[in-house]
Amino acid sequence: EAGVTQSPTHLIKTRGQQATLRCSPISGHTSVYWYQQALGLGLQFLLWYDEGEERNRGNFPPRFSGRQFPNYSSELNVNALELEDSALYLCASSLRVVTEAFFGQGTRLTVV
Amino acid sequence: SQKIEQNSEALNIQEGKTATLTCNYTNYSPAYLQWYRQDPGRGPVFLLLIRENEKEKRKERLKVTFDTTLKQSLFHITASQPADSATYLCALPDSGGYQKVTFGIGTKLQVIP
Repeated sequence: EAGVTQSPTHLIKTRGQQATLRCSPISGHTSVYWYQQALGLGLQFLLWYDEGEERNRGNFPPRFSGRQFPNYSSELNVNALELEDSALYLCASSLRVVTEAFFGQGTRLTVV
Repeated sequence: SQKIEQNSEALNIQEGKTATLTCNYTNYSPAYLQWYRQDPGRGPVFLLLIRENEKEKRKERLKVTFDTTLKQSLFHITASQPADSATYLCALPDSGGYQKVTFGIGTKLQVIP
């Protein structure tokens, strides 16, 4: 069974541009989470989607947004990129009632 | 929101010994606590979940304890191996929502052959 897949693996953008990151959850999982992990820092909660709706978001500005599609895959959009947005962006999926989250390999976003 | 403290200093131990990692939290007691392993440049991998009414959980060479009085969880790896070298993260739900999980910064474990 395929795990959580994220694309692209690496992404290089210039300041001010927009980035789109994609995530496909494990089959049967309806919840998708997005986390940001900057170098040397812990995972920071960004967004939680379930059944197509945004259920919760972390302390990030509105230029971080996303959506979940009917097939439960998800997209994270970061507008007006800043240098400090450079980080590993991790997507995770789980069943509706959390017992464990399964993470993808991440997208390494570099803003230059 | 919940604040999690993990020893950010790396832990170096000799192969075969027991590694003990600590996770302290500062606010309310969570309904559960999770431990994950993360290798460099990769996503975390779930290891164990312990619920608030459980004192201890075991899985193969891993053991987790949960003391809600001390607001602390201990994670033990017995008979440690060099392959256990990784960063170990503890995670617990935030007051903002049962499924909004907050992660600690992690403790880097190095098992020396």
